[in-house]
Amino acid sequence: DQQVKQNSPSLSVQEGRISILNCDYTNSMFDYFLWYKKYPAEGPTFLISISSIKDKNEDGRFTVFLNKSAKHLSLHIVPSQPGDSAVYFCAASASRGNTPLVFGKGTRLSVIA
Amino acid sequence: KAGVTQTPRYLIKTRGQQVTLSCSPISGHRSVSWYQQTPGQGLQFLFEYFSETQRNKGNFPGRFSGRQFSNSRSEMNVSTLELGDSALYLCASSLAPDFGYEQYFGPGTRLTVT
Repeated sequence: DQQVKQNSPSLSVQEGRISILNCDYTNSMFDYFLWYKKYPAEGPTFLISISSIKDKNEDGRFTVFLNKSAKHLSLHIVPSQPGDSAVYFCAASASRGNTPLVFGKGTRLSVIA
Repeated sequence: KAGVTQTPRYLIKTRGQQVTLSCSPISGHRSVSWYQQTPGQGLQFLFEYFSETQRNKGNFPGRFSGRQFSNSRSEMNVSTLELGDSALYLCASSLAPDFGYEQYFGPGTRLTVT
């Protein structure tokens, strides 16, 4: 039973445009959400997080939106750059981060110049 | 400061053998977590150690075990290897035993079981 789902395995976006990566979760106990980015041959690197008490968190070109009623979050990258091409993982935790992270399967983003 | 290091980076083993993977966390980090990444399942949590104690364990068989040393370095062991154990094994360290803290991942050990 997949508790965190990233239904799009891949996404292609033109450079300069907005990239929107989506993530759905089923466990209503999740209250802390993170996005990680992974380049080939490297470990994932933390991008941005959001707590369930917020519905939006912004960090430079990256914004995460959380819709608790829909159990849905999304990562917006504006403007997209070729260096953003990577696999993006959504992860969730319960008890304000006190339980192990549950990851989605990832979405491969390709930003085309 | 130096990042998380994992050794070896690549490993080929035969079914039935056992393997030990090593992880050195970022200096000062006392929490170490291990994950298995496969194409079909994404990243799955194996276990987490803090101050030499296992705090959390994922849903993996007992063939998967780990430990943490007093210097926070960690090892994981897989006994009686199966073909399905072929995966990228990632180690992550953080300052505190709270998954809300940012975890820093190493590059992983690519294990191939033949």
